[in-house]
Amino acid sequence: DAGVIQSPRHEVTEMGQEVTLRCKPISGHNSLFWYRQTMMRGLELLIYFNNNVPIDDSGMPEDRFSAKMPNASFSTLKIQPSEPRDSAVYFCASSYRAGGRETQYFGPGTRLLVL
Amino acid sequence: KNEVEQSPQNLTAQEGEFITINCSYSVGISALHWLQQHPGGGIVSLFMLSSGKKKHGRLIATINIQEKHSSLHITASHPRDSAVYICAVRWDGSGNTGKLIFGQGTTLQVKP
Repeated sequence: DAGVIQSPRHEVTEMGQEVTLRCKPISGHNSLFWYRQTMMRGLELLIYFNNNVPIDDSGMPEDRFSAKMPNASFSTLKIQPSEPRDSAVYFCASSYRAGGRETQYFGPGTRLLVL
Repeated sequence: KNEVEQSPQNLTAQEGEFITINCSYSVGISALHWLQQHPGGGIVSLFMLSSGKKKHGRLIATINIQEKHSSLHITASHPRDSAVYICAVRWDGSGNTGKLIFGQGTTLQVKP
């Protein structure tokens, strides 16, 4: 299996622009997570989906952030409009939850810089 | 106060030393993860624990549910163990969905 795939790996944009991050989870996994990592705040959970349904988006910073999972093999995290404080590494992770056992597999991350 | 606290925040060791990283949490959990983040940024899941102890190679992870504490041990440390080690707990209020709460991480540097 190729693991969790994220694109792009790096993104540099100017403030005010729309940014779309993409994630392809591991085939067969039923949970998907979006995380953000910064030096100041460490790793933070933004939102997670179970069976393509958003379960908890309480970590989403504000209305400028939105996430979708139209099917089991694809998810997007969109920032519109972007701001310099959104600069971070965004990780996607997926897992298969069964019988209380679950390991999350992380993608390589997207390094976002908003100028 | 963070729900998940790690100590120490930074650790420097000489090659061959025995290393311990601690994680304490204040919420009810159903599982605890130890993650490793390499200098290049990639994150790898090392262990998932719900009780007792697990061992993989030179790495050992233990958890004490009553004391709400876990430790990650590295025996015979090596420079390639240099990384950030992150403790994450699965909050047991999250139902069947696996929401994780993260510690701030412990940065380990092992010198040759």
